[in-house]
Amino acid sequence: DQQVKQNSPSLSVQEGRISILNCDYTNSMFDYFLWYKKYPAEGPTFLISISSIKDKNEDGRFTVFLNKSAKHLSLHIVPSQPGDSAVYFCAARDRGGTSYGKLTFGQGTILTVHP
Amino acid sequence: EAQVTQNPRYLITVTGKKLTVTCSQNMNHEYMSWYRQDPGLGLRQIYYSMNVEVTDKGDVPEGYKVSRKEKRNFPLILESPSPNQTSLYFCASLKADTQYFGPGTRLTVL
Repeated sequence: DQQVKQNSPSLSVQEGRISILNCDYTNSMFDYFLWYKKYPAEGPTFLISISSIKDKNEDGRFTVFLNKSAKHLSLHIVPSQPGDSAVYFCAARDRGGTSYGKLTFGQGTILTVHP
Repeated sequence: EAQVTQNPRYLITVTGKKLTVTCSQNMNHEYMSWYRQDPGLGLRQIYYSMNVEVTDKGDVPEGYKVSRKEKRNFPLILESPSPNQTSLYFCASLKADTQYFGPGTRLTVL
């Protein structure tokens, strides 16, 4: 049972435009969410996170939005750059769970930004 | 430089031949974990360790073992690898609410 879902396997965007990556979750106990970026032959690197007490968090060109009632979060990248081309993983953590620190990941979305 | 390292980065082996993938972190983190990444499934946790000599199963522990004899090292052991363990493996350590990942080990079991 996939508790974190990224339903778009891939996304293609023109340089300078906005990229929107989406993520849905089913476990209402998740209360901390993260986005990771992964380049080929490298490990995932932390990008941005949001606590469930917030609905928005910004860091430069990256903004994460959380809609708790819909169990949905999204990552906005504005403006998109060719160097943003990578696989993006959404992840969630259950603070109340027995597995402290464990992240549950989505399947990933391949973002391609065209010059 | 703060980092998580894994060795080897690439490994091709045969069914049943025991292997160990090493993981080391230099950040003095107490929590470490292992994940595997498979197409269409994202990353799934195999085992984790909250501190020295404290380890526990994640979501997909079958066929794997771990040990944590010292804080910096957290090796992943496959006693009798099988083809369904062909995957990309990541070690991670935890600081605050964020996990930091190693570069990955691509394992192929023939």
